[in-house]
Amino acid sequence: DAKTTQPTSMDCAEGRAANLPCNHSTISGNEYVYWYRQIHSQGPQYIIHGLKNNETNEMASLIITEDRKSSTLILPHATLRDTAVYYCIVRGSTGANNLFFGTGTRLTVIP
Amino acid sequence: NAGVTQTPKFQVLKTGQSMTLQCAQDMNHNSMYWYRQDPGMGLRLIYYSASEGTTDKGEVPNGYNVSRLNKREFSLRLESAAPSQTSVYFCASRKDRTTNEKLFFGSGTQLSVL
Repeated sequence: DAKTTQPTSMDCAEGRAANLPCNHSTISGNEYVYWYRQIHSQGPQYIIHGLKNNETNEMASLIITEDRKSSTLILPHATLRDTAVYYCIVRGSTGANNLFFGTGTRLTVIP
Repeated sequence: NAGVTQTPKFQVLKTGQSMTLQCAQDMNHNSMYWYRQDPGMGLRLIYYSASEGTTDKGEVPNGYNVSRLNKREFSLRLESAAPSQTSVYFCASRKDRTTNEKLFFGSGTQLSVL
């Protein structure tokens, strides 16, 4: 599975959009991009995933570049409850069972 | 619908003691996983069970054993606890490892080994 690179930390003003980038330059054709987040010391929570098309759900939007080497998670109206560590993960649809979480991006939403 | 339930939430052990962390899911998932998370680190896979009756090693299996008791339950055992096993342990489950199904996590067990 391809590895990912994320900024260590980011701040975002409450009510503004939070844009969290992720580089996955070694991604292969059948590998999906997943995003999870971990609030404080809770278990990680699934947010969204995609292959090559942009995806949107009730929590966030995922924008994947045309070459699939990077993606951006967008929280459209960040709230204080969105303060968390966000993990970008790339995993194939078959094969390796592990999701490599890395250290993620610590997003702090500022009042 | 409780999802993934872990017990206990907190535990303190002395070096050399043994204990079992329990995990149960009520979503009829086939695959279950045990992760550990050390301070400031991401999650690392200890063991997983792709389906009932099977278990496999993950990234950091040394010092641990697992049992997939039935489809619902997947336990993690520390036979002789060491301070290096001080960590937060998360259990997770997924419908099927070969699909793009998302992982559901429990709330974690904070373990300290003195």
